[in-house]
Amino acid sequence: EDKVVQSPLSLVVHEGDTVTLNCSYEVTNFRSLLWYKQEKKAPTFLFMLTSSGIEKKSGRLSSILDKKELFSILNITATQTGDSAVYLCAPYLGSNYKLTFGKGTLLTVNP
Amino acid sequence: GAVVSQHPSWVICKSGTSVKIECRSLDFQATTMFWYRQFPKQSLMLMATSNEGSKATYEQGVEKDKFLINHASLTLSTLTVTSAHPEDSSFYICSAPGTNYGYTFGSGTRLTVV
Repeated sequence: EDKVVQSPLSLVVHEGDTVTLNCSYEVTNFRSLLWYKQEKKAPTFLFMLTSSGIEKKSGRLSSILDKKELFSILNITATQTGDSAVYLCAPYLGSNYKLTFGKGTLLTVNP
Repeated sequence: GAVVSQHPSWVICKSGTSVKIECRSLDFQATTMFWYRQFPKQSLMLMATSNEGSKATYEQGVEKDKFLINHASLTLSTLTVTSAHPEDSSFYICSAPGTNYGYTFGSGTRLTVV
């Protein structure tokens, strides 16, 4: 059975701190790893990581995948209160395969 | 880009009544639609997968007679919560395989059963 584990489950930091969120997975037919940010409603797409060791960046967010060790990390530098959200990861197995999400990391950034 | 329109965004209904949630793919054809449920402070849990022209596939523990899923066309999938009870109150969200980024999510429906 597919398994996705995220850690920590929750995290409280102050503005300006740097955070690292973890996602480990055990799935068959792995193709890529997806990261999403969820605030009040639908998850919004952050990254799709397919190649091991290649960092993807978007502003203060960056992510990297280790296909040998089966994990990914999401880094957020200089956190802002607007980064407060649940961050979800899910292995992508192909376009018609279901997404199995981890439990998510609830990030709270205090002013 | 690919857009999935989900309605209603929120609904309050009385216990025992049924509620229908619609998801429409606006600019692409969705042969598959995934339906998720999310309870407060929990992650998205897949309930079922609908496929146009065939029966939906339900995840273990999800009652197919209670959560009726219909995929009437390549652009419309519906979830009907029948005989809703307060424990069915949750956030329901659909998702279709998209284009470049894997999946496109609807905006979600917050159901409150009183």
